[in-house]
Amino acid sequence: GQNIDQPTEMTATEGAIVQINCTYQTSGFNGLFWYQQHAGEAPTFLSYNVLDGLEEKGRFSSFLSRSKGYSYLLLKELQMKDSASYLCAVVDSNYQLIWGAGTKLIIKP
Amino acid sequence: EAGVVQSPRYKIIEKKQPVAFWCNPISGHNTLYWYLQNLGQGPELLIRYENEEAVDDSQLPKDRFSAERLKGVDSTLKIQPAELGDSAVYLCASSRGTGPSYEQYFGPGTRLTVT
Repeated sequence: GQNIDQPTEMTATEGAIVQINCTYQTSGFNGLFWYQQHAGEAPTFLSYNVLDGLEEKGRFSSFLSRSKGYSYLLLKELQMKDSASYLCAVVDSNYQLIWGAGTKLIIKP
Repeated sequence: EAGVVQSPRYKIIEKKQPVAFWCNPISGHNTLYWYLQNLGQGPELLIRYENEEAVDDSQLPKDRFSAERLKGVDSTLKIQPAELGDSAVYLCASSRGTGPSYEQYFGPGTRLTVT
């Protein structure tokens, strides 16, 4: 079967750094997405990784290791507005997006 | 550029009643998706359209759910009859294509409550 694992909830302090992990087992791999979803709102795109390594985009970075079936999203200089759920999704061999349940990130002042 | 538009935003119905959701994707986006999302879960694909053709509807409960995308633009998702377990947020998304790197743009969703 296909499986995406993420921690259910994480707590971090404003101004700090947090790393949200995602491990996956899917039938084929054609890339991995990270989306942000604020409560009651739609998911919005953060990043897409298909090659191993780190991709940096402002305060957010995403890392991928295909051999380990592992990715993480790194958020720096945390702000209160970063409180949201972060969804990991893998594109399988049929180009279908397999979604994780999301990690709820709580930022404390 | 206007985003994905969905209506209604909220709907409360009694079980066994029908309900319909409407979606207007971003202009030029040929691929359209309907998802349902339960609280604390990721989106679950119901159906994917390429233009007006449903190319992946394997997860759509066809005994009660139906969808259409006439003229390859707007789409409607219908449930008839609704059951208590259908209470969820129904999300519509669109993308420029179906290649693996195409990001999906989501609408605000319709929150359905079945009583």
